[in-house]
Amino acid sequence: GAGVSQSPSNKVTEKGKDVELRCDPISGHTALYWYRQSLGQGLEFLIYFQGNSAPDKSGLPSDRFSAERTGGSVSTLTIQRTQQEDSAVYLCASSLAWDVGELFFGEGSRLTVL
Amino acid sequence: GENVEQHPSTLSVQEGDSAVIKCTYSDSASNYFPWYKQELGKGPQLIIDIRSNVGEKKDQRIAVTLNKTAKHFSLHITETQPEDSAVYFCAAILAGSARQLTFGSGTQLTVLP
Repeated sequence: GAGVSQSPSNKVTEKGKDVELRCDPISGHTALYWYRQSLGQGLEFLIYFQGNSAPDKSGLPSDRFSAERTGGSVSTLTIQRTQQEDSAVYLCASSLAWDVGELFFGEGSRLTVL
Repeated sequence: GENVEQHPSTLSVQEGDSAVIKCTYSDSASNYFPWYKQELGKGPQLIIDIRSNVGEKKDQRIAVTLNKTAKHFSLHITETQPEDSAVYFCAAILAGSARQLTFGSGTQLTVLP
């Protein structure tokens, strides 16, 4: 596709369950970002991948959160033992290179933890 | 690290009027300032950006101004239209650094017909 694709668009889970969120970036984009947007809040940086470099995990809120990027393309954000405070929209973005330019965002995955 | 504050959090204007959203940043080294627009149910989309070597940039009805001394930058939308209704985010970063974009908390703009 032409844009950043995220799945699922909506996920409802029970507290304590694990969830996986997927991001398919724009082809050729070497940089990939995950952000979290809580209701009515701004964009909270979670993790950043650039090429084959070690990811910047400085924004992950706890060790329950992890992310992988396989083959320099698709990324999966995993949240283990979900808590109600994890409820938010998780946004993925990609860009051509790590030196800033336009970030292209997906439409997000809305996670609801009951 | 960088800290970006954005005001106001909500803004309502009449169609045809102008809207101004203001942001301040803390890191004097920051040199790239983009603005993103987020429509309901969509991801944010870049609408305009400015680098620290210029004081103003315009693109049709939108403009951004930057005051490096005061460390603030503003988004100006003229002749507002209902389709301008959205959440707007400012951001700041030192381009070429290993840091990430720091976003403001967002402004919900409503253009009343």
